[in-house]
Amino acid sequence: DTAVSQTPKYLVTQMGNDKSIKCEQNLGHDTMYWYKQDSKKFLKIMFSYNNKELIINETVPNRFSPKSPDKAHLNLHINSLELGDSAVYFCASAFSGLAEVFFGPGTRLTVL
Amino acid sequence: AQSVTQLDSHVSVSEGTPVLLRCNYSSSYSPSLFWYVQHPNKGLQLLLKYTSAATLVKGINGFEAEFKKSETSFHLTKPSAHMSDAAEYFCVVSDSSYKLIFGSGTRLLVRP
Repeated sequence: DTAVSQTPKYLVTQMGNDKSIKCEQNLGHDTMYWYKQDSKKFLKIMFSYNNKELIINETVPNRFSPKSPDKAHLNLHINSLELGDSAVYFCASAFSGLAEVFFGPGTRLTVL
Repeated sequence: AQSVTQLDSHVSVSEGTPVLLRCNYSSSYSPSLFWYVQHPNKGLQLLLKYTSAATLVKGINGFEAEFKKSETSFHLTKPSAHMSDAAEYFCVVSDSSYKLIFGSGTRLLVRP
């Protein structure tokens, strides 16, 4: 079974819409992340949650709002989508204090 | 601040020949270093990690990397390339808050 799963795998939408990406991990990790990979393959952290508390927010626009209902889930909601939001979004998880991070398969978001 | 520099954006080798993907890091303390691989339209898979134990680290699929503090390098090698090794490779350093900082990636092409 997939350790870190994301839905949907592909998301195509119009500018101005609001969309959500869901993430779940079954590894028992206490820390979850969202990373963004742009069209040049560059990966950068967006958010990190530890035990449902936000611990890292990398100056992401407030149109992006992560929500962690429990330790196993970290969802990403995006309001008023813009063309520049088109990217692949990766969810990831880890045990706090350990640097080994496990990534989900990614969600390719295309904003038209 | 921590950072990584991947010295080659593309590396092309013939099948059966050695692979060398170069990475230099910058860190104010003893870092944790990783190599991740991303196959086309796939997620990120951990190849290997260095966390201040043995300086020569063996990973999956025959890859290994050597941590050289004097050269601030963590180059990835494999004795004999296989067609299935064609992918994007990321050198990654972890900072003190366990945030992963990615290099810009090296695309490995394997010629038959």
